[in-house]
Parts: sequence; structure tokens; C-alpha cells
Amino acid sequence: AQKITQTQPGMFVQEKEAVTLDCTYDTSDQSYGLFWYKQPSSGEMIFLIYQGSYDEQNATEGRYSLNFQKARKSANLVISASQLGDSAMYFCAVYNFNKFYFGSGTKLNVKP
Amino acid sequence: GAGVSQSPSNKVTEKGKDVELRCDPISGHTALYWYRQSLGQGLEFLIYFQGNSAPDKSGLPSDRFSAERTGGSVSTLTIQRTQQEDSAVYLCASSFTGVSPLHFGNGTRLTVT
Repeated sequence: AQKITQTQPGMFVQEKEAVTLDCTYDTSDQSYGLFWYKQPSSGEMIFLIYQGSYDEQNATEGRYSLNFQKARKSANLVISASQLGDSAMYFCAVYNFNKFYFGSGTKLNVKP
Repeated sequence: GAGVSQSPSNKVTEKGKDVELRCDPISGHTALYWYRQSLGQGLEFLIYFQGNSAPDKSGLPSDRFSAERTGGSVSTLTIQRTQQEDSAVYLCASSFTGVSPLHFGNGTRLTVT
């Protein structure tokens, strides 16, 4: 099975500042997809951003960007200008061999 | 369009009873996944369907767990002789084939007393 590592179980960030959530993975395949999901306290899983393993440009979606370093097998999520509504669990996921593998998540708290 | 629908949203059952959890994916999505999430934890993969077939059942915790999908659409996850350790939120997700985002339902919160 693929191993997805999110080393930060919890993080705090001041409102309006940027924050980086770490994710590393260990797939041996060359073709895979990287995803980030947000899970607020309500429990729903919300898709944020996607990066293909062959994409040369880092993906961006509004305030979200993905810092993709293929050689390091790293796919960190950067949230710019944090908002109180960004407080949630964040999960990194890798799509590989027809399956999605999820990390253990990082709980982000945005302080006013 | 409608999203992924799961029912019931909450289920309380007595230890030893059987339960059925239902997932209605987004129309046209051929891939369907079941995950389990315990309180404050990550997502535990249970089973994956491509159409009606389940190429990967490796995550089912025991033979008390089974799942089927009919008509390439609705899926049912069945847990027989429930145990207290089965208490969790069961999440269903669907996607188009290949590398496309998973769309999740709101989950079924199962409590075994």
C-alpha cells in the first residue's frame, strides 16, 4: 500500500497569514494524481486542489496552491491570506493503481 | 445536479444486529469507494467498485463486512453481527474513471451500543 505522511497533526496560523501544510508520499509509479481535501467540523469532505504527476506547473485554485516537488515526493498545500473559515482538518491524498490513499490529516486552527 | 447521497445519516444499533448503509453516487460516475473514519482520525479504505465489480476489497476489516453495487449505480455496505468497534462514520465517494476528484457524501454515523 502507498504511504502518505502528514507530519503536522495540528497547526495554528494567524488570520491573514499564509500557512503550509506538509505532505509526502512514497509511490514508485511515475503516473499518479495528488489531491487535497478539507473537512470542516461539519464532517463533509471538500475537494480543494489537484496536481498531476506530469504537470510541470504547480496547481493553483484561488487562495490554494500546491507546492509540488516530484523528486522529493512532496505535495505541500499552501493557503494564502488565511481566514477563520479555513479552520478544519486537511487531508492529502494520492491516486495510484486505481485507488485513493489518504494521509492522517492536519488540523488547522486560524486565530483571529 | 445532485451530489453523492448516503442514507441513513445516523444509525444506532445494538451489538450483534446487522446494518445496511446505502450510497447513491453522482450520475455517470463509474468509480465508487467506501471509507471508514473514526472520531478525529483519517480515512480507512474499505472497498472500491469500478462499475458493478469490486477489483479491490482489501480494506474490508473482516468477513462480517460486505458490499455490492447494482446497475453501476447504488451501492450497499452491509455489516453483519455488528460490534462496538464498528462504530464510526462511513463515507462513500464517487468519481469518473481515472484520475478525477472524489466527491464525497455526508456519511453515515454508525453507533453500536
